Amino acid sequence: GAVVSQHPSWVICKSGTSVKIECRSLDFQATTMFWYRQFPKQSLMLMATSNEGSKATYEQGVEKDKFLINHASLTLSTLTVTSAHPEDSSFYICSAFPGLFSYNEQFFGPGTRLTVL
Amino acid sequence: RKEVEQDPGPFNVPEGATVAFNCTYSNSASQSFFWYRQDCRKEPKLLMSVYSSGNEDGRFTAQLNRASQYISLLIRDSKLSDSATYLCVVRTNAGKSTFGDGTTLTVKP
Repeated sequence: GAVVSQHPSWVICKSGTSVKIECRSLDFQATTMFWYRQFPKQSLMLMATSNEGSKATYEQGVEKDKFLINHASLTLSTLTVTSAHPEDSSFYICSAFPGLFSYNEQFFGPGTRLTVL
Repeated sequence: RKEVEQDPGPFNVPEGATVAFNCTYSNSASQSFFWYRQDCRKEPKLLMSVYSSGNEDGRFTAQLNRASQYISLLIRDSKLSDSATYLCVVRTNAGKSTFGDGTTLTVKP
């Protein structure tokens, strides 16, 4: 099946630094990727929709200047958490579809666990 | 009110038990429906899609009632390996998925 990878799988950083997370579709092209965040014992919350070649669409309450998304190619989207703070510590997961959205399986990356000290 | 609501759980059942999870959604524009399974500290993995006619995959049966905006998952003859969090997911035709908070199942020997 389709594979989505993420890098890094985990990262620990100091407060105030920026962290970049990469999401790649390995065997298919994805014009759209989705970024989710999951806090402990909570479900996945959609942060933004990443569109290749155009600006990302952010969900209400998600700061676009803090969570920078760049979808520069059909196989790569990056999420940069700028000036990270401890409250940004979370599990960040990306996903992509290999075909039509509604009826195809949504493939998830393995996630990136961010810990901000 | 949340867009997707699930049984809060947790469910603790013995091996061999039958367990049912319920889910309701509020967005009538939702086009497709899924159950995902998430193991601790891992990404969600698709368990099964849910169709109006109902569908079965081995020990798992999913049902969708569009009129009531209700989705269910039935697990028969539960195994220890079924222990996980089960996520109800609804998706619009634009690909935007909304997840329920999940229901945690623990199957005990």
